[in-house]
Amino acid sequence: LAKTTQPISMDSYEGQEVNITCSHNNIATNDYITWYQQFPSQGPRFIIQGYKTKVTNEVASLFIPADRKSSTLSLPRVSLSDTAVYYCLVGGTNAGKSTFGDGTTLTVKP
Amino acid sequence: KAGVTQTPRYLIKTRGQQVTLSCSPISGHRSVSWYQQTPGQGLQFLFEYFSETQRNKGNFPGRFSGRQFSNSRSEMNVSTLELGDSALYLCASSSPPDSFENIQYFGAGTRLSVL
Repeated sequence: LAKTTQPISMDSYEGQEVNITCSHNNIATNDYITWYQQFPSQGPRFIIQGYKTKVTNEVASLFIPADRKSSTLSLPRVSLSDTAVYYCLVGGTNAGKSTFGDGTTLTVKP
Repeated sequence: KAGVTQTPRYLIKTRGQQVTLSCSPISGHRSVSWYQQTPGQGLQFLFEYFSETQRNKGNFPGRFSGRQFSNSRSEMNVSTLELGDSALYLCASSSPPDSFENIQYFGAGTRLSVL
């Protein structure tokens, strides 16, 4: 199982860009990298997924270097509603082959 | 398309009782996974079911069990409840389960309090 390491917490201000980095040194060849967002007392919500290089969708970008041993979630122009826990998940074909790390608690201040 | 539905949302039980939680996956999803989330341990994988068969199991005691029905709906059961079982129990569905880019879609969870 690929173990992930993320910063425990981060603070930001509204309108800033936030980058959260996840380390996954033992990522396997077939593993995808997936990021989830979780608000208190709710289930995690899928944000973005990638395999290599850069992926962008309407809410975030994901940067993955060539060695794939880390990844960076980029949230452009955060707002107060982006305050949440962000999880990086690295894994294969089924849920039991991937684990959620401790996540990063992002606090966005006005 | 309806999301993952978990019932009940909240549950209060006493030590020694048993509890059954229900999960209805997104239509067409055949893989269902269960997680336990507590402040101290984070998100812990319980088990995963696909086509009524348990495919993976986390490191939990035998008091935790589950099953999946032919319509992909799943239930998990916890017998002989302990105080430490108080947690948010999350269900996630995915499809297709054997694709490398497996994305899990989570329900809102069932908050279980054991007194």
